[in-house]
Amino acid sequence: DSGVTQTPKHLITATGQRVTLRCSPRSGDLSVYWYQQSLDQGLQFLIHYYNGEERAKGNILERFSAQQFPDLHSELNLSSLELGDSALYFCASSVEGSKGGPDTQYFGPGTRLTVL
Amino acid sequence: GQNIDQPTEMTATEGAIVQINCTYQTSGFNGLFWYQQHAGEAPTFLSYNVLDGLEEKGRFSSFLSRSKGYSYLLLKELQMKDSASYLCAVREIQAGTALIFGKGTTLSVSS
Repeated sequence: DSGVTQTPKHLITATGQRVTLRCSPRSGDLSVYWYQQSLDQGLQFLIHYYNGEERAKGNILERFSAQQFPDLHSELNLSSLELGDSALYFCASSVEGSKGGPDTQYFGPGTRLTVL
Repeated sequence: GQNIDQPTEMTATEGAIVQINCTYQTSGFNGLFWYQQHAGEAPTFLSYNVLDGLEEKGRFSSFLSRSKGYSYLLLKELQMKDSASYLCAVREIQAGTALIFGKGTTLSVSS
């Protein structure tokens, strides 16, 4: 158990809908990262928040958005869902999000999203 | 940008040693990570290299050559539970602290 929690574990919805995925980082971690994992693409970085502020964006679609709240939990919002959005969504947390040292990222168990 | 290459699949037998290679191309290297991921589960951290050389941690070791853009993960005394996907990930200075992952190597260990 990494100490990172994610809810829900599974989510099944229809095309065109909107969903919210939730992540709580390890106690003391200020950084939250979101990744998408699909069979053909592997793990892809979406977005990084540090202490409530957006730090970096990766391959995140405009239909997707995220935020990090004062209690440091984060939510990833996915809207106008398409079949191709079906994937495992992981969040990871680290202590700092700084560029020095390993600042290892610890991953949550993931949310499996199925869009029908 | 980055390009990270790993073999797609490898097989080995219990008790053996296996080496999983990773090559990368990046303009601002700032560390290389190896993660283990069992099917349907979260990736778990195995090792971190930022300087050239070998880092050893129990049955697992990881090597880095920055000039060659090359790393390998060495697994010794293989056990059935080592059957998993092994992900090589690179951190680039210009990308902040996000990790850029290769597509992973699926290792199957048989008895």
